[in-house]
Amino acid sequence: DIQMTQSPSFLSASVGDRVTINCKASQNINKYLDWYQQKLGEAPKLLIYNTNSLHTGIPSRFSGSGSGTDFTLTISSLQPEDVATYFCLQHNSGYTFGAGTKLELK
Amino acid sequence: EVQLVESGGGLVQPGRSLKLSCAASGFTFSNYYMAWVRQAPKKGLEWVATISTSGSRTYYPDSVKGRFTISRDNAKSSLYLQMNSLKSEDTATYYCARLRWSSFAWWGQGTLVTVSS
Repeated sequence: DIQMTQSPSFLSASVGDRVTINCKASQNINKYLDWYQQKLGEAPKLLIYNTNSLHTGIPSRFSGSGSGTDFTLTISSLQPEDVATYFCLQHNSGYTFGAGTKLELK
Repeated sequence: EVQLVESGGGLVQPGRSLKLSCAASGFTFSNYYMAWVRQAPKKGLEWVATISTSGSRTYYPDSVKGRFTISRDNAKSSLYLQMNSLKSEDTATYYCARLRWSSFAWWGQGTLVTVSS
């Protein structure tokens, strides 16, 4: 099974900051890596699919990059509404979620 | 607007069964693969099952294979999850999701299943 290691587990940043969250796969997953946002008490929401494709209605301050085993989600300018937990998901072979990164405002 | 509304959750004893439903609207249900994803309290996410457009193909992780069955009724735009031989570790919020290729593109609000005596 493919393991996903997400870092950091917790992140505190200020409005306007550039924020990066990382995911590392235990083996090559090609481009099949998604990023999801989950706000408190809500269902997860797809942000980025297949490494760098922005899902419908997602603001352009969110972007994704990477290939193979190492992937990054970037928020170019953090907004208050971005406070949430972020999960990565590999779907190259079955499905494996990362453990999540809780993002808070400093 | 894509809408997915889960129902059927509740408190159930270990070893018993429960069937979840998901009512879909706002899109042509029969054109999309569908899935169930769960989240244990204060924990991460786990894929539970996927079903093809016609229902002829289903996929499960080892953790639920042989106990859970995903099905669909395209005429009713509905997705189901039959859960048998429930264990305490099956306690979670269960989300219905519409796939876009193999990504979970749209999610319902979830239904909570608690397995406890």
